[in-house]
Formats: sequence, structure tokens, C-alpha cells
Amino acid sequence: QQQVKQSPQSLIVQKGGIPIINCAYENTAFDYFPWYQQFPGKGPALLIAIRPDVSEKKEGRFTISFNKSAKQFSLHIMDSQPGDSATYFCAAFDNYGQNFVFGPGTRLSVLP
Amino acid sequence: NAGVTQTPKFRVLKTGQSMTLLCAQDMNHEYMYWYRQDPGMGLRLIHYSVGEGTTAKGEVPDGYNVSRLKKQNFLLGLESAAPSQTSVYFCASASSRVSSNQPQHFGDGTRLSIL
Repeated sequence: QQQVKQSPQSLIVQKGGIPIINCAYENTAFDYFPWYQQFPGKGPALLIAIRPDVSEKKEGRFTISFNKSAKQFSLHIMDSQPGDSATYFCAAFDNYGQNFVFGPGTRLSVLP
Repeated sequence: NAGVTQTPKFRVLKTGQSMTLLCAQDMNHEYMYWYRQDPGMGLRLIHYSVGEGTTAKGEVPDGYNVSRLKKQNFLLGLESAAPSQTSVYFCASASSRVSSNQPQHFGDGTRLSIL
């Protein structure tokens, strides 16, 4: 129930493509769903986040789609660029219980 | 403005040795966290603190101890290092409960190898 499943494990797209990363959770106590971007040798950095009362959130080229009934959420990257090549982590937070669960990560490569 | 600084960046230990990882933040944040990152497993919360003088256990606390004597510092200790503790350790801080407006800020990690 604590696990967050993430797929795919790795993803290769051409420049301008739209990579999609999917995550699923079980614990209904989770109330905050962030996505993190991590470059080699660096710590994760918050990319975009959503709360379960919202079905979609867009910030620049990044969009989260959230399906509360299915307990699934996904990240879409529009017009992907080689600079987007990184590892992406979804996460689910229960802020009241200070319970944070991260997905295993997706390594994205955007080819020029 | 340095943000979250972790010391050291790399360390190799022998089984049974002890060491302390230091995390320092200059953002006056109340909340601080220690995670470990292992291949294929994402980040797992070891311990956290919601303010100076407080600590609490996360998902994987066994084998680790922490202290928060000063608001800006959060120390992670390994009393008797084991090979299973080989990992990359990340510290994070937040001004309050995590939200879009109050995100966690991460350091760049400490890569620890236990032989």
C-alpha cells in the first residue's frame, strides 16, 4: 500500500516528441503528488506538483494528468528537448503523516 | 545563497566504522529530511525533523541516528557501517509541510561506499 509504481523504466524519444511517464499508487491518504527531475550528480529538483482535487496541471511544457478514481497520474513533456534528458521521479506524499514515497524513476533520453 | 549543502560529497568506509554526514541549510527552514537513493528504488526516507531539537523515524531508520541541535544543521550518523548502507544520501529541507508553494529543496548528495 505504500508503494508507488512508475513506468517505463527508461524512455528514448526524438527531439520534439512527447514522452509520457505513468505512476500509480494505492494509499488514499496521499494528498500531494510531485514530480522531480534529477540530473547526474545532482539532487532531485521539483518540476511540477498536483493535489488530488485537480485533474490536470500545466506549467510550461510540463503537464500532470491526475485520475483520482484510478489512483494514477502521469507526466507529459511537450516539445521535448535534449536538455530534458534526465531521470524523472514521481512521488506521493501524505503531509499529515510526513509519509513520502517515491517511484523508482524513469531515465529519459531525448535525441537531437 | 548556497541552499542545502552536504558534507562530504564522497566517502569510503570499512565495515564497522562510524561516520557522520552533515547537512546545512541557509534558508531558515523548519523541516529537514534525510533520504537514501539506491538503484531502481527511488528515494527512501530515513529520518526527518520538523524543528530544532526534534527528530522522527522515516521508512528505513534502522542503523542510522540523527540530531538537530541547530535549526540550520541536520546530522546523520552511522554508528557501525554495513555494506547494505552503501548508497547515495540526500538531505532536503522545507519551510513547512511540503506543498507546491513550500517544496523540498535537495542537496547534491553524499556518495557513501562501505567495503
